[in-house]
Amino acid sequence: GDSVTQMEGPVTLSEEAFLTINCTYTATGYPSLFWYVQYPGEGLQLLLKATKADDKGSNKGFEATYRKETTSFHLEKGSVQVSDSAVYFCALDHKGFQKLVFGTGTRLLVSP
Amino acid sequence: GAGVSQSPRYKVAKRGQDVALRCDPISGHVSLFWYQQALGQGPEFLTYFQNEAQLDKSGLPSDRFFAERPEGSVSTLKIQRTQQEDSAVYLCASSKRTSGRADVQYFGPGTRLTVL
Repeated sequence: GDSVTQMEGPVTLSEEAFLTINCTYTATGYPSLFWYVQYPGEGLQLLLKATKADDKGSNKGFEATYRKETTSFHLEKGSVQVSDSAVYFCALDHKGFQKLVFGTGTRLLVSP
Repeated sequence: GAGVSQSPRYKVAKRGQDVALRCDPISGHVSLFWYQQALGQGPEFLTYFQNEAQLDKSGLPSDRFFAERPEGSVSTLKIQRTQQEDSAVYLCASSKRTSGRADVQYFGPGTRLTVL
């Protein structure tokens, strides 16, 4: 079945460092891909999405490109802030029917 | 505007008790989803409603789990005869449309269920 694999955390960075969180997927068909973020004490919220190969999703300085050839959707940010500390989840929609399949999440800790 | 709300936020149950978890989706949202999130894991799909119709319940782990959305708005997830393995955060999400890809799902804060 469909699945998402994320790098294990925690990822610990200093403020202004470059961030990459790896995400690869296995899916039938052509899913849409998402990054959701969960800040401490808050619910999941959409960070960015991409619906087809080579699309780039971006928001709040974060970017991810849908790479069909490597089945990847890595999350990047050029300069992280303390306020980016959160758990990041990569997800796909199962066969395009909105049911989301999530990875296990990657915790990011940014220190001043 | 108001987001997705869930109640209670925390629930402690003794093994064998029945529990009911409530979800109030964003007004006007057609689709509603329930997910289960175990500690340290990503959310896992339980069930999906389009208006009052339950179109997919493939993720419900056993027949002890039951969900309903009788009027196409508020939804209740019921767990009968709770077991310790049911301990998790139960997330509700809603989205606007009935079809079309990549529709954004808006999540509630979740209900943390602990079964003793």
